[in-house]
Amino acid sequence: EDKVVQSPLSLVVHEGDTVTLNCSYEVTNFRSLLWYKQEKKAPTFLFMLTSSGIEKKSGRLSSILDKKELFSILNITATQTGDSAIYLCASPGAGSYQLTFGKGTKLSVIP
Amino acid sequence: DVKVTQSSRYLVKRTGEKVFLECVQDMDHENMFWYRQDPGLGLRLIYFSYDVKMKEKGDIPEGYSVSREKKERFSLILESASTNQTSMYLCASSQWSGTNEKLFFGSGTQLSVL
Repeated sequence: EDKVVQSPLSLVVHEGDTVTLNCSYEVTNFRSLLWYKQEKKAPTFLFMLTSSGIEKKSGRLSSILDKKELFSILNITATQTGDSAIYLCASPGAGSYQLTFGKGTKLSVIP
Repeated sequence: DVKVTQSSRYLVKRTGEKVFLECVQDMDHENMFWYRQDPGLGLRLIYFSYDVKMKEKGDIPEGYSVSREKKERFSLILESASTNQTSMYLCASSQWSGTNEKLFFGSGTQLSVL
């Protein structure tokens, strides 16, 4: 059975802190790992990672994949209150159409 | 801009009622999905469809059915709603290309069954 595990499940930081969110996976025929941000509504796409060691970056957010150790991290530098959200990671498993999601990390950034 | 629209943001129903949740996408995507999201359990796949009139069970299909009569529309049906189906329901779609599994999500329907 495919498995995606995120840690920590929740995190509270102060504005300006740097955070690292973790995602480990056990997925048959691994192809990619995706990160989403979910505020009050629809999860929105952040990154898709397919290759080890290549960092993807968007502003203060960055992510990297380690296919040998089967994990990915999402870094957020200089956090802002607007970064407060649930961060989801997911990977398509043995079935071509399905994403297996982790339970998410709830990040709270306090002023 | 890509859009997945769910018909209701909030819904309150009574136990035993038949409930329809509607989802429409305007991206001509082949694949559509219904997830439910519960605190501590994350997103769990209920059903998905990879073509018109095609459907596949996800991880938790019990108590649900789906309908896909047109490519852009995917409906989730609760035949007889129960309190344990109180949840946030998220619809999503994707264009399966073999290399890009990016999902586009609707805004969700918070369903309360009393």
